[in-house]
Amino acid sequence: GDSVTQMEGPVTLSEEAFLTINCTYTATGYPSLFWYVQYPGEGLQLLLKATKADDKGSNKGFEATYRKETTSFHLEKGSVQVSDSAVYFCALSDLKTSYDKVIFGPGTSLSVIP
Amino acid sequence: EAQVTQNPRYLITVTGKKLTVTCSQNMNHEYMSWYRQDPGLGLRQIYYSMNVEVTDKGDVPEGYKVSRKEKRNFPLILESPSPNQTSLYFCAIARDRGFNEQFFGPGTRLTVL
Repeated sequence: GDSVTQMEGPVTLSEEAFLTINCTYTATGYPSLFWYVQYPGEGLQLLLKATKADDKGSNKGFEATYRKETTSFHLEKGSVQVSDSAVYFCALSDLKTSYDKVIFGPGTSLSVIP
Repeated sequence: EAQVTQNPRYLITVTGKKLTVTCSQNMNHEYMSWYRQDPGLGLRQIYYSMNVEVTDKGDVPEGYKVSRKEKRNFPLILESPSPNQTSLYFCAIARDRGFNEQFFGPGTRLTVL
């Protein structure tokens, strides 16, 4: 079945460092891909999304490119801030096989220190 | 702005004592869903609903019930809670089929002793 794999955390970075969180997926059809962010004590919120191959999603300085050839959707940010400390979830929605479902990865915890 | 309200936010209970976690939305969205979040497992879908009186099982429905008698509310019912249901629960809503963009509630932390 469809699945999402994320790099193990926690990740600790200094402020202004470059961030990459790896995400790879397995899907039968042509999924849409998402990154959600969960700040401490809150629910998840959509950070960015891409609906087809080679699309780039971006928001708040974060970017991710839908790479069909490597089945990946890695999250990047050029210069992280303390306020980016959160848990990041990669997710997919495959309308071909799971029309009413979103499948989430296990999450990657990011801590940014001043 | 989409608002999803969950109550209670925190609950400690004992094994076997029936409980209900409420979820309410202000967006008139058709699709609502319940997830549980456990360390290392991410979010797993418990149940979802495509409209009033239409519900279906997610990946981990055992031990849970839901109902959708009106569009804005989607309560999660634990008839006989057990310690393995200790978790963080999230309700989510979405406008489009496929749950392409979901709006999450603030979460309910449940502890079953």
